[in-house]
Amino acid sequence: GESVGLHLPTLSVQEGDNSIINCAYSNSASDYFIWYKQESGKGPQFIIDIRSNMDKRQGQRVTVLLNKTVKHLSLQIAATQPGDSAVYFCADTPGGSYIPTFGRGTSLIVHP
Amino acid sequence: DGGITQSPKYLFRKEGQNVTLSCEQNLNHDAMYWYRQDPGQGLRLIYYSQIVNDFQKGDIAEGYSVSREKKESFPLTVTSAQKNPTAFYLCASSLGTGAGNQPQHFGDGTRLSIL
Repeated sequence: GESVGLHLPTLSVQEGDNSIINCAYSNSASDYFIWYKQESGKGPQFIIDIRSNMDKRQGQRVTVLLNKTVKHLSLQIAATQPGDSAVYFCADTPGGSYIPTFGRGTSLIVHP
Repeated sequence: DGGITQSPKYLFRKEGQNVTLSCEQNLNHDAMYWYRQDPGQGLRLIYYSQIVNDFQKGDIAEGYSVSREKKESFPLTVTSAQKNPTAFYLCASSLGTGAGNQPQHFGDGTRLSIL
């Protein structure tokens, strides 16, 4: 997941826009990737996952793209709504161990 | 509804005191995990358990202890040896730790503060 810095990266969008949240991972042996959404004071909620044999996976209003060449993962949210405001974490699982390693997260702020 | 229940939601610790955070799941999951979350940080793994009566240290186990006497329960004790315990603690579970047994499901956390 993401690294360095004390402040969460923040993405501000207008309601109805599409959002793209990016994540870099470091372990080339990682073969399973997950996106979570965390609202204030709550635990992370699973959004979508993808395995390394895929480049793209779609859910309801969300799409995850995986670029293994540059070790990059993105989460696209279509028609972003105020209820999408939260911190979004990516997690990767190093090969041989399916204990996820979490990034620092990106704070998504959706303005009505 | 199936899920993970953490209690209490807020907890205060005095100097030199051990405190225990509760985590119960009714998802029939074999694997359970404890994470610590500090402001602006990702989740860091404290301990995990793949099966009853077995648990492994994570990246930041010092000052913490766990037990796994029942499949449903994985309590975390924050001992007095943990000098900086103020954080948000998250418990999670999954079917197992192997491929195909993810993702993890999380509880809503316990916020621990020092008095």
